Amino acid sequence: QQPVQSPQAVILREGEDAVINCSSSKALYSVHWYRQKHGEAPVFLMILLKGGEQKGHEKISASFNEKKQQSSLYLTASQLSYSGTYFCGTSETSGSRLTFGEGTQLTVNP
Amino acid sequence: DGGITQSPKYLFRKEGQNVTLSCEQNLNHDAMYWYRQDPGQGLRLIYYSQIVNDFQKGDIAEGYSVSREKKESFPLTVTSAQKNPTAFYLCASSRTPGTSAYREQYFGPGTRLTVT
Repeated sequence: QQPVQSPQAVILREGEDAVINCSSSKALYSVHWYRQKHGEAPVFLMILLKGGEQKGHEKISASFNEKKQQSSLYLTASQLSYSGTYFCGTSETSGSRLTFGEGTQLTVNP
Repeated sequence: DGGITQSPKYLFRKEGQNVTLSCEQNLNHDAMYWYRQDPGQGLRLIYYSQIVNDFQKGDIAEGYSVSREKKESFPLTVTSAQKNPTAFYLCASSRTPGTSAYREQYFGPGTRLTVT
């Protein structure tokens, strides 16, 4: 089942923060986050496994709330380079394929 | 440098023709995937293969076919049966079959197919 991402789009000024959510109606084993620039391939950001783990990568971090079947991606002090479409991909078991959400388009303006 | 190559970057075909999209990886990954992306939409899984000579249908396999004769290669054929073939096609790979849930996927640069 496809996860639901919110918001669909967000516009920020450089330096502002943003949160992107990814929700599923099914129990999840893992959540992947990717970023895609226009016309390019998606690039891996991070994986979160069930257990409420939080991860960080510079000013981008994420959490996974196993009870709510929801993951949130946090972008702090956004930079122009953060612009792109963010996708979450979810799996229900350790061996299952990923199902991607429809994406959140993030635009960071000067 | 290791990576995934897809060729060509742009492809134009007439309606009714079959077309094959190339995907090659030198990452020594066991698992490979084909996704379709339409404007403003997410990634939809067409086919995936976890090991040579084996592959499974994804969510939108109708009108597509694949083969996996070599570990490095996973070509996708868009047949004339595919009703709306114009899209951006992405190939991806990941290590170790059966671990797609906790192994990152590496994506190729994509092929933009236009059928008129």
